[in-house]
Amino acid sequence: DTGVSQNPRHKITKRGQNVTFRCDPISEHNRLYWYRQTLGQGPEFLTYFQNEAQLEKSRLLSDRFSAERPKGSFSTLEIQRTEQGDSAMYLCASSLARGSSYNEQFFGPGTRLTVL
Amino acid sequence: SQKIEQNSEALNIQEGKTATLTCNYTNYSPAYLQWYRQDPGRGPVFLLLIRENEKEKRKERLKVTFDTTLKQSLFHITASQPADSATYLCALDKGSSNTGKLIFGQGTTLQVKP
Repeated sequence: DTGVSQNPRHKITKRGQNVTFRCDPISEHNRLYWYRQTLGQGPEFLTYFQNEAQLEKSRLLSDRFSAERPKGSFSTLEIQRTEQGDSAMYLCASSLARGSSYNEQFFGPGTRLTVL
Repeated sequence: SQKIEQNSEALNIQEGKTATLTCNYTNYSPAYLQWYRQDPGRGPVFLLLIRENEKEKRKERLKVTFDTTLKQSLFHITASQPADSATYLCALDKGSSNTGKLIFGQGTTLQVKP
């Protein structure tokens, strides 16, 4: 257990429905990342937050995706009007960033989304 | 285009041998490179980080090298054990700013046979 939790662990939904995932990072970590991983591939960056500010969003993300991190603590990732191509493992990671120092990221167990 | 590549074929070795995994990248100038372990159905777990000015780093049975001229990192597990069987991912930053955003390779699956 890395200390990062994600809920739910699994989500099955029908095409066109909206889904929301939650990530609780390690409490003192100021950075939070969302990645998406499909079978046989490494995680792909989606977006990240420094405290409550969303600083970057991948061009891979369509307008159907939105993420928030109110109060700089937990984060939610919402997918609207889901498509079958959204089926993947959604991973959250957190890290403690200070200036230009580089730190490892602690990943949660992921939420596996299946869109029927 | 920018690419980060790992051996896509699984690596099968006998217990006790040294496993060597390769990570090659093109068109990046990373400030650091990280290696993660991932077990089926779980998130990646951090193993080692090596900076651009470091040639080699060790942690217990693990050793990582980083050659910025060859644009390659090698990951070694000595005295391998069946419990080392997993997928190993290399990841690097894009080097342009300290975002911490990681670009991952596709991973190499290691199978250690008793």
